[in-house]
Amino acid sequence: KAGVTQTPRYLIKTRGQQVTLSCSPISGHRSVSWYQQTPGQGLQFLFEYFSETQRNKGNFPGRFSGRQFSNSRSEMNVSTLELGDSALYLCASSLDGVNEQFFGPGTRLTVL
Amino acid sequence: KQEVTQIPAALSVPEGENLVLNCSFTDSAIYNLQWFRQDPGKGLTSLLLIQSSQREQTSGRLNASLDKSSGRSTLYIAASQPGDSATYLCAVATNSNYQLIWGAGTKLIIKP
Repeated sequence: KAGVTQTPRYLIKTRGQQVTLSCSPISGHRSVSWYQQTPGQGLQFLFEYFSETQRNKGNFPGRFSGRQFSNSRSEMNVSTLELGDSALYLCASSLDGVNEQFFGPGTRLTVL
Repeated sequence: KQEVTQIPAALSVPEGENLVLNCSFTDSAIYNLQWFRQDPGKGLTSLLLIQSSQREQTSGRLNASLDKSSGRSTLYIAASQPGDSATYLCAVATNSNYQLIWGAGTKLIIKP
């Protein structure tokens, strides 16, 4: 069974640009969650999608948005990038959002 | 508000020792608790998941216990090996908001 895949793995952008990250969950999983990980703040929850609906959102500015498609693949978008957005972005897949979470390898975003 | 704490923040032990990592949480109304491992710059690997109705789970040299009443979980690693060196994170899930609440992690170094 294929695991969670995230693309791209590495990304370098400059301030003010926007970026789109993609996550493909494990087949059959309908929940996708996104997390930001930084050395100073640890893991912080961005949002969770289930069957194309956002069920929960963390405390991030509106520049961070996401969506989920009918095949459960999810994208997150960050507009008007800031230096502080440099982080490892992780997505997690699960059957229903509360049971076991499986993580992808992450996308390392660097904002210059 | 649920808070998760992991102590110690870092631990260094000689190879072959048995060790215990601790995780505590403030609200006992959890759905499950999950232990993860993270290697530097990488994603998260799920190690063990304990449902709220369970007391422990085992996988190979790993054993995780859960005591909801006291708000504690421990991860026991038997006969540690240098390959066990990583950061270990615990996270709790509630069935109300579809997100994991994370501890800050314990950085484990196993010395050959």
